[in-house]
Amino acid sequence: DSGVTQTPKHLITATGQRVTLRCSPRSGDLSVYWYQQSLDQGLQFLIQYYNGEERAKGNILERFSAQQFPDLHSELNLSSLELGDSALYFCASSVRPLGGDTGELFFGEGSRLTVL
Amino acid sequence: QKEVEQDPGPLSVPEGAIVSLNCTYSNSAFQYFMWYRQYSRKGPELLMYTYSSGNKEDGRFTAQVDKSSKYISLFIRDSQPSDSATYLCAMMKAAGNKLTFGGGTRVLVKP
Repeated sequence: DSGVTQTPKHLITATGQRVTLRCSPRSGDLSVYWYQQSLDQGLQFLIQYYNGEERAKGNILERFSAQQFPDLHSELNLSSLELGDSALYFCASSVRPLGGDTGELFFGEGSRLTVL
Repeated sequence: QKEVEQDPGPLSVPEGAIVSLNCTYSNSAFQYFMWYRQYSRKGPELLMYTYSSGNKEDGRFTAQVDKSSKYISLFIRDSQPSDSATYLCAMMKAAGNKLTFGGGTRVLVKP
């Protein structure tokens, strides 16, 4: 158990809908990362927060947004969903931002999103 | 072209064999190299970490980095059925704040 909690584990919704994925990082971790994993694209970095502030952005669509709250949990909001958004969404956390570190991220078990 | 390329496999080996995995990359700015292991229906977990070029050994696992060839490898000796998983390479720039992952290689170790 990595200590990172993600909810929901599974989510089935329709195109055009909006969903919110939630992540609680490991106790003491200030940095949260969101990744999308699909069969054809692999694990793609979406966005990173550190202590409530956005630190880095990757290939995140404009329809997607995220935030990190004062209690350090994070939410990823996906709107106007399309079939291609079906994927596993992982949250990961680390004590501090990467860079000169061991590169160890602690991943949750993911939220599997299916868009029909 | 992706920054990090990895053969998706699957790679099937008998128990006890050596598993050889590799990744190639195009961005010479990558300085930190990692291997993550991902079991089915689980999140990735860090297996090995290497800074710059060279070898690193940890038990049955050996990671190698050849920056001149932009090529990294992971070797698993005396493979066990419990090593069956997807192995993802990951890389980071010196002043980076994100990991760039390869697509992963699925490994199956048969008893």
